Amino acid sequence: EAQVTQNPRYLITVTGKKLTVTCSQNMNHEYMSWYRQDPGLGLRQIYYSMNVEVTDKGDVPEGYKVSRKEKRNFPLILESPSPNQTSLYFCASSHNRGGGQPQHFGDGTRLSIL
Amino acid sequence: GENVEQHPSTLSVQEGDSAVIKCTYSDSASNYFPWYKQELGKGPQLIIDIRSNVGEKKDQRIAVTLNKTAKHFSLHITETQPEDSAVYFCAAPDANAGGTSYGKLTFGQGTILTVHP
Repeated sequence: EAQVTQNPRYLITVTGKKLTVTCSQNMNHEYMSWYRQDPGLGLRQIYYSMNVEVTDKGDVPEGYKVSRKEKRNFPLILESPSPNQTSLYFCASSHNRGGGQPQHFGDGTRLSIL
Repeated sequence: GENVEQHPSTLSVQEGDSAVIKCTYSDSASNYFPWYKQELGKGPQLIIDIRSNVGEKKDQRIAVTLNKTAKHFSLHITETQPEDSAVYFCAAPDANAGGTSYGKLTFGQGTILTVHP
C-alpha cells in the first residue's frame, strides 16, 4: 500500500530536549515536505526537499532542521524545542515538481512542548 | 512569495444543498491549484485539482473553477452529504521567475464544512 508514515504520532516533551520526527514514504517520490498546522493558520510549509541532498526553506523554517540522505526518508529535527513549536505536523511526498503535483500526506504527529 | 486567501472559514449547509469555497492567490505565474479534504485525525487528501490551461474540472459531485484573470479558484460541492463534513484546504505553488521551481506550496487557512442531515 502506498503510504507516508510518520513517527511518533503523539509526543509530549519539555523545552530544550532535542527530538526527531521521522517520515518515510514507499512511493519512490523525489519530493518531500514538512508542514505544521495551527488553528486559523492552515498548513504552513517548514522545509521541503526536491531530491536526495537537496533541501530548502519553506515559510516557517526557524527552529527546525531537516536532512535528506535517502530518497524514502525525510526526518524533521527540533534541536531545542520551545512551546511555540507545539503543533500538528504533517509530512508529504510527491513526484518531482512537488508544489505542482498532488501531494500524499501522512496522518500527522501531534507535538506538545511544555 | 505566494499569498493564498480562503473563504469562508466555516460553512454550514443542509444535506442536499450545494457548498462553495473560494480562494484567491497572488502569484500570476502559478499554474496548479489543488483542493484537499482533511477528516478528523487524518492527513489532508487530494480531492480535485486544476491546471491553468482549463477553466473548469468536474468529478462527480465535486467541481473546481479557475479564473486566472481575477486570480481566484473555487470548489463546488453539489448534493452535499454528511460524509462531506471535513476541513477543506486550497493551495497554490510559488512559481519562481523561471516558472520551474514549484518547491514551495502555500495553503489557504482552511474551511470547516458541516453538512447537517
